[in-house]
Amino acid sequence: AQSVTQLDSQVPVFEEAPVELRCNYSSSVSVYLFWYVQYPNQGLQLLLKYLSGSTLVKGINGFEAEFNKSQTSFHLRKPSVHISDTAEYFCAVSRTGTASKLTFGTGTRLQVTL
Amino acid sequence: EAQVTQNPRYLITVTGKKLTVTCSQNMNHEYMSWYRQDPGLGLRQIYYSMNVEVTDKGDVPEGYKVSRKEKRNFPLILESPSPNQTSLYFCASSILTSGGTNTGELFFGEGSRLTVL
Repeated sequence: AQSVTQLDSQVPVFEEAPVELRCNYSSSVSVYLFWYVQYPNQGLQLLLKYLSGSTLVKGINGFEAEFNKSQTSFHLRKPSVHISDTAEYFCAVSRTGTASKLTFGTGTRLQVTL
Repeated sequence: EAQVTQNPRYLITVTGKKLTVTCSQNMNHEYMSWYRQDPGLGLRQIYYSMNVEVTDKGDVPEGYKVSRKEKRNFPLILESPSPNQTSLYFCASSILTSGGTNTGELFFGEGSRLTVL
């Protein structure tokens, strides 16, 4: 079975500063990796995904993530955040070839202030 | 507009009173799933369905039932709700690849906040 650890429950950051949200996963087989974002009072929406190929994945709203197999990590980064990036971010993992079960992390609350 | 629609969005009920949360998607997706979101626990899968009449348990299925009689609808049924089912519920859907697998790119509804007293 796979699992996901998001080490930071909250990350405060000033507007225009860079940010990194950390995600580590555990799995004995190959995986797909995802970042989802949840804005207040809304459902989740996909930010980016890694299925195969290039380990640097670019997503919407200027976010990117890098798949590091040796460190079993998939950290999310943005070079300059905006107030509108304030949201909860979830890392998720699934086994390749099935994905009937997507396992989510516990989430990281990104709070951007002026 | 492509969307997943859940109803009701908010509900307060009492222990033991059967309720159904409906979920409908207009994207012709084969795969549908229910999650519950609780503080500090993230999202946990309750049930999922790979197609009509095909459903399976997720991580936390106890106390819930589902059905998939039509492709677009995937209702979540709480036969006898209890306070520990107070939670925020999300329905999600996805296409399946030609190989019958789900890539994990889920489309979520806006959520249904349920309180059981």
